[in-house]
Amino acid sequence: GIQVEQSPPDLILQEGANSTLRCNFSDSVNNLQWFHQNPWGQLINLFYIPSGTKQNGRLSATTVATERYSLLYISSSQTTDSGVYFCAGANNAGNMLTFGGGTRLMVKP
Amino acid sequence: NAGVMQNPRHLVRRRGQEARLRCSPMKGHSHVYWYRQLPEEGLKFMVYLQKENIIDESGMPKERFSAEFPKEGPSILRIQQVVRGDSAAYFCASSPLKSPEGTQYFGPGTRLLVL
Repeated sequence: GIQVEQSPPDLILQEGANSTLRCNFSDSVNNLQWFHQNPWGQLINLFYIPSGTKQNGRLSATTVATERYSLLYISSSQTTDSGVYFCAGANNAGNMLTFGGGTRLMVKP
Repeated sequence: NAGVMQNPRHLVRRRGQEARLRCSPMKGHSHVYWYRQLPEEGLKFMVYLQKENIIDESGMPKERFSAEFPKEGPSILRIQQVVRGDSAAYFCASSPLKSPEGTQYFGPGTRLLVL
């Protein structure tokens, strides 16, 4: 199966700062999703983005499928953005989403 | 349109007991996936089911674990004779399209604690 690597593993920001999270894949994917796991453990869908660019409020994501990576941008971060951000991908070689190890984000007031 | 529902949200079992976790997919979704998250780790795939069929169980432990998605009712993940190492969060996801296409929507998870 595919390998998924996320960076950085940990990130501490001051409220209002911007950040970029990265996700690298070992193989091509035709399903790529970003999630936010909040401090209560709930997984929230952020983007389904196997290719291209999407924006939703202060969040945006870009996937460059030919180079096997995806980026998640968080602008004007807020304390409620804290938690763990996961990317996950799948391709025709398997039925499952393979998750990266996550980026643990803490936004300080 | 209600999201993916899981119950119970928290489950405490003693070693040797059975645990039954339930998942109701989103309306119109016929594809269900179970994932397990051990403490401080990412989610790991366990099993992929469609109505009455197990499509892929490559992530399921060979013993004590089973899953079903009957024609009527929720999907069930069953763990027999639980051990402390089974303590984890178990997430269910559903999608309207056959894997790997389409967004998988995740439920709130069931947190299993084995004493």
